[in-house]
Amino acid sequence: RKEVEQDPGPFNVPEGATVAFNCTYSNSASQSFFWYRQDCRKEPKLLMSVYSSGNEDGRFTAQLNRASQYISLLIRDSKLSDSATYLCVVLTNSGGYQKVTFGIGTKLQVIP
Amino acid sequence: GAVVSQHPSRVICKSGTSVKIECRSLDFQATTMFWYRQFPKKSLMLMATSNEGSKATYEQGVEKDKFLINHASLTLSTLTVTSAHPEDSSFYICSASYQGGNQPQHFGDGTRLSIL
Repeated sequence: RKEVEQDPGPFNVPEGATVAFNCTYSNSASQSFFWYRQDCRKEPKLLMSVYSSGNEDGRFTAQLNRASQYISLLIRDSKLSDSATYLCVVLTNSGGYQKVTFGIGTKLQVIP
Repeated sequence: GAVVSQHPSRVICKSGTSVKIECRSLDFQATTMFWYRQFPKKSLMLMATSNEGSKATYEQGVEKDKFLINHASLTLSTLTVTSAHPEDSSFYICSASYQGGNQPQHFGDGTRLSIL
């Protein structure tokens, strides 16, 4: 089983739609979780951290389910500019060593 | 917010050349930096973890003699691709986080390396 798994998509959604992505992780000791956005041929940019209580930033909502070991990202009222690849990132500290693991990314295409 | 600067952003050179890429954390100190490579339409692949003042930790399958990493200060890590060949052509990205752990990674702009 991969350490971090994401559906690569693509998810093709119309403007204004609500879309959700999930990301599962295999290491129950993982401590921090993030969603990044990566545009084509660009570096990943931090979209939001994911907190246990869930957090919201405008149209974006992130949630963490430790029992089932997954995180989710919900995008409401999709915009054309939301088209990108969304990367799930899991951070695990083990014996003072920090390990950063990326999912393969989920491609979102918002259609006019 | 945290800024990570990577230089150069684009390199085109002949086969056999060695190429050095710099990664700097501009407004914070980073004891750990990470180096990734990314092929077109593929996910980021962690190459190595760069530790300030000590040897880098390489991921399985990454040749340490091919990809030399130096992390001489808390704000600078370098990746040198030695005797580069066309198959080394890729997008290389570094990242760093604030000291103290559990912080998100901040990425450099990436270096697009093309070996002719």
